[in-house]
Amino acid sequence: GAVVSQHPSWVICKSGTSVKIECRSLDFQATTMFWYRQFPKQSLMLMATSNEGSKATYEQGVEKDKFLINHASLTLSTLTVTSAHPEDSSFYICSAYRDRGSYEQYFGPGTRLTVT
Amino acid sequence: AQSVTQLDSQVPVFEEAPVELRCNYSSSVSVYLFWYVQYPNQGLQLLLKYLSGSTLVESINGFEAEFNKSQTSFHLRKPSVHISDTAEYFCAVSESNDYKLSFGAGTTVTVRA
Repeated sequence: GAVVSQHPSWVICKSGTSVKIECRSLDFQATTMFWYRQFPKQSLMLMATSNEGSKATYEQGVEKDKFLINHASLTLSTLTVTSAHPEDSSFYICSAYRDRGSYEQYFGPGTRLTVT
Repeated sequence: AQSVTQLDSQVPVFEEAPVELRCNYSSSVSVYLFWYVQYPNQGLQLLLKYLSGSTLVESINGFEAEFNKSQTSFHLRKPSVHISDTAEYFCAVSESNDYKLSFGAGTTVTVRA
């Protein structure tokens, strides 16, 4: 199966700083990647759709200036949480399609962000 | 926009007993339906999906789900569970003309010996 990795797996940062999370498709090229946020005991909420070579599409209510997404290559998308605050603490998950016709998304293992 | 409701947040079950996880959705257009499983400390993995055709779909490890359009449901079943089926199960839906997924809140299945 297709493999999607995320780095780091967990990160602690101080309030007001920025943190970057990487999402890589290891054995396939992904023109589209998705970023989700998951709160404890809650569902995954889609934050944005990351498109290689173009601007990300953000879901309603997601601050695009706070959650910067860059998809500079067919195997890498990054999510940068800028000026992080404790309420940004969450589990961030990325996914990608290897074959859009299959409608099967491959998910990364997630990144736990804690803002102190 | 579509939404997904998983009616059971936690399901404890004994090994070799059957299990059913309920999932209902709402959408004004035709949909594709999915069940994803998340084992401890791992990413979500696709368990099975319904895109079209037979309303009963099966996974390779004994799970099955049936798409019921009139009841807008996609319940997941397994006739005999194993300890290794302990995991979080997510029901998800996408509109058939879209690639974005909407997830339910998840059901934690704990299988006990």
